[in-house]
Formats: sequence, C-alpha cells, structure tokens
Amino acid sequence: KAGVTQTPRYLIKTRGQQVTLSCSPISGHRSVSWYQQTPGQGLQFLFEYFSETQRNKGNFPGRFSGRQFSNSRSEMNVSTLELGDSALYLCASKAGESDTQYFGPGTRLTVL
Amino acid sequence: DQQVKQNSPSLSVQEGRISILNCDYTNSMFDYFLWYKKYPAEGPTFLISISSIKDKNEDGRFTVFLNKSAKHLSLHIVPSQPGDSAVYFCAGNFGNEKLTFGTGTRLTIIP
Repeated sequence: KAGVTQTPRYLIKTRGQQVTLSCSPISGHRSVSWYQQTPGQGLQFLFEYFSETQRNKGNFPGRFSGRQFSNSRSEMNVSTLELGDSALYLCASKAGESDTQYFGPGTRLTVL
Repeated sequence: DQQVKQNSPSLSVQEGRISILNCDYTNSMFDYFLWYKKYPAEGPTFLISISSIKDKNEDGRFTVFLNKSAKHLSLHIVPSQPGDSAVYFCAGNFGNEKLTFGTGTRLTIIP
C-alpha cells in the first residue's frame, strides 16, 4: 500500500498571504489528522476529519481550517499568514478505530 | 498546558548499550500510549504502543514500561544501534481520538 502523501513538500510564503496544503491518506483510511511541528512545541494537534466531518479540533486560531473530500483526501488552509506559522505541517491517517496513525513526510512552510 | 512531557531534549548513548527515553504525563484519562520515531525531513513512524491496563510491552529491541501511579512511561532500546539515532516522541491517546505528543527527545547513538 502506498503511504500518506503530502503536497507540496516545501513552500515559501510572505506574511498576510494564505496557503493550502494537501494530504492523501493511505487507501482505505477514513480519518485524517493534521499536526504542526515546531522546534519548541513539538507536535501539536490541529484537527481531525473523518468521513468529511471535523471530529476533533486543537487549540489553534480560526485562521487554520481544513476540509476532507469524499475520497478522504484532506486539505488544510492557513489564511493571513504570520511569521510564527513557519513550521512542518504533518498529516496522519488511520483506518477507522485503529489507534495507530501513519504520518506523511510533511510540508515545510516558511513564512517570510 | 503540556499534558505529555519529555524533559530530556537530547540523549547520547554508546552503540550496544541501553537507551532509555522517558516521558511523563498529567492526563489520567489517557488509555493508550505510543512512541514514534522521526528522522529529519520525514514524518514520524510508529514504533510501539502500550495500553493503560498493561505495565510492559515488548517488540524486539524495544520495550515500553508504564507506571500509572507515577504517570510515567519509558522506552528502552537494547542494544542501541546507529540507525536508532532520531527524535523520539511519546504520545497519549484518549478515547481513540487525538494524540497528544511530547516535545521529543533527540537520541544520538555514538559508534
């Protein structure tokens, strides 16, 4: 089975712009979660989607949003980018009730 | 509020010796704990997990110990190998929903 894929792998934006990141889960996985990784904070949960519905949400401002499509692919959007949004954004998928998440390689976002 | 804490940001261990990575948590509702390993420029990969009803789980060179009364878990790697050099994250899971991760420990195996 192919793993979780994320596009693009690297992205450079400027403050005030918006960005959309994409995640394709492992085939058959219906749950997709997004995480932000920064050096000081580790991995922080953004949100989880299951069957096109947001099932869980972390403590991030409303500038961070996401959605999931009927084929389980997910997108994450960040509007009005700030310097502090520079991070590695990771997507993870899991199959139904499994407790194991499988991560993609991440998208490295740099905000200038 | 850091519910999962990894107080050692880095650890160096001689090849062949035991590596012990520690993790403390505050949320007693966690019912599953997991360890992930991460290489630079890659996503985390699942290593081993333990249910809150157990105190030990072993998989090859990796053993995770859980002390619920102390809210502490540890990952033992024996023997340590150069390929084990990576960042290790512990995570707590509640109700099979979101994972709460620690900040990670960078393990360096010295040949």
